Amino acid sequence: AQSVSQHNHHVILSEAASLELGCNYSYGGTVNLFWYVQYPGQHLQLLLKYFSGDPLVKGIKGFEAEFIKSKFSFNLRKPSVQWSDTAEYFCAVTGGYNKLIFGAGTRLAVHP
Amino acid sequence: EAQVTQNPRYLITVTGKKLTVTCSQNMNHEYMSWYRQDPGLGLRQIYYSMNVEVTDKGDVPEGYKVSRKEKRNFPLILESPSPNQTSLYFCASSPQGVGGYTFGSGTRLTVV
Repeated sequence: AQSVSQHNHHVILSEAASLELGCNYSYGGTVNLFWYVQYPGQHLQLLLKYFSGDPLVKGIKGFEAEFIKSKFSFNLRKPSVQWSDTAEYFCAVTGGYNKLIFGAGTRLAVHP
Repeated sequence: EAQVTQNPRYLITVTGKKLTVTCSQNMNHEYMSWYRQDPGLGLRQIYYSMNVEVTDKGDVPEGYKVSRKEKRNFPLILESPSPNQTSLYFCASSPQGVGGYTFGSGTRLTVV
């Protein structure tokens, strides 16, 4: 069965620090990979997605993610975080039947 | 504006009182889905629909019903709500086979 694992449940950073959030998935077939962000009290918004092609994907707000097929990983990165990046981040994967499977989420708190 | 609209945003109800959460999308998407979000568990799929009159169970369907009589609407029905269904619910839609979901704003349900 498909599953998504996010290694960090809570991350606390100071502004301007670099961010990397880990995501690993288990699925033997072709996958589409996503990162969503949920700001406090809001719904999920798509940060970036990978379907095929260049494994380094750039998204909105300066985020990027790298798909490493051999490691079944899709880690999210940002070189310099801002206070406004405080949110919960979800990695997700689709395999068969368009079903989107989410990780448990990582809460990021950025201190000024 | 392309969007997924859920109603109500907040709902407090009592155990056993039937309720319906509505979901409507204006993007002509074939695929619609309901998720519940609980702390530490991420989002889990309740039910999904691949097109009109085609629905299927997700990972946590117990205690829920859905219907898809029209392409744009996908209501979630709780026939006899129980306190363990207290959660944040999201409706989502996507074009068939693509996986890029658009989420609604969420419905926070409390069952007392």
